[in-house]
Amino acid sequence: GQNIDQPTEMTATEGAIVQINCTYQTSGFNGLFWYQQHAGEAPTFLSYNVLDGLEEKGRFSSFLSRSKGYSYLLLKELQMKDSASYLCAGMDSNYQLIWGAGTKLIIKP
Amino acid sequence: TAGITQAPTSQILAAGRSMTLRCTQDMRHNAMYWYRQDLGLGLRLIHYSNTAGTTGKGEVPDGYSVSRANTDDFPLTLASAVPSQTSVYFCASSEAASGKETQYFGPGTRLLVL
Repeated sequence: GQNIDQPTEMTATEGAIVQINCTYQTSGFNGLFWYQQHAGEAPTFLSYNVLDGLEEKGRFSSFLSRSKGYSYLLLKELQMKDSASYLCAGMDSNYQLIWGAGTKLIIKP
Repeated sequence: TAGITQAPTSQILAAGRSMTLRCTQDMRHNAMYWYRQDLGLGLRLIHYSNTAGTTGKGEVPDGYSVSRANTDDFPLTLASAVPSQTSVYFCASSEAASGKETQYFGPGTRLLVL
């Protein structure tokens, strides 16, 4: 079957670094996406990885290991506005996204 | 730019009634999608359309139907609503149904079926 696992909730301090992990199992693989979703709003795209390694984009970085079925999202210099849910999604062989339930990130001052 | 719009923003619907959720995009994207989002669960694909004139079933299509008469519009119809269809519904679009194409989401429709 297809499955995406990520922690339900994490807490971090403003200015710190946090890593949100995701393990995936999909029928075929066409990439791993991370989206951000603020409460009551739509998901917005953060990153896409299809090859192994780290992709850096400002304060956010995303890592992929295809052999391990593993990805993480790294957020640096946390700001209060980073309080949101972070959704991990794997794209299967039919180019459909399989979504995790999301990790709610709480930032404390 | 508008991107993707959805209507209505929210709705309370009596069980057994029908309803159409509207979705329009102005990005000329070929692929469009309907998801539902429920607490504690990931987004689940209801139906999709890779290009105008074609549609396909996603993970949870029962009780829902879609049409794609043109590129811009992708309405979702609930023929006879049931309480389990209470959810937040998101419409999304992407330039194509391929690996690297980002999906862009509308603001969502919050539906309560009583």
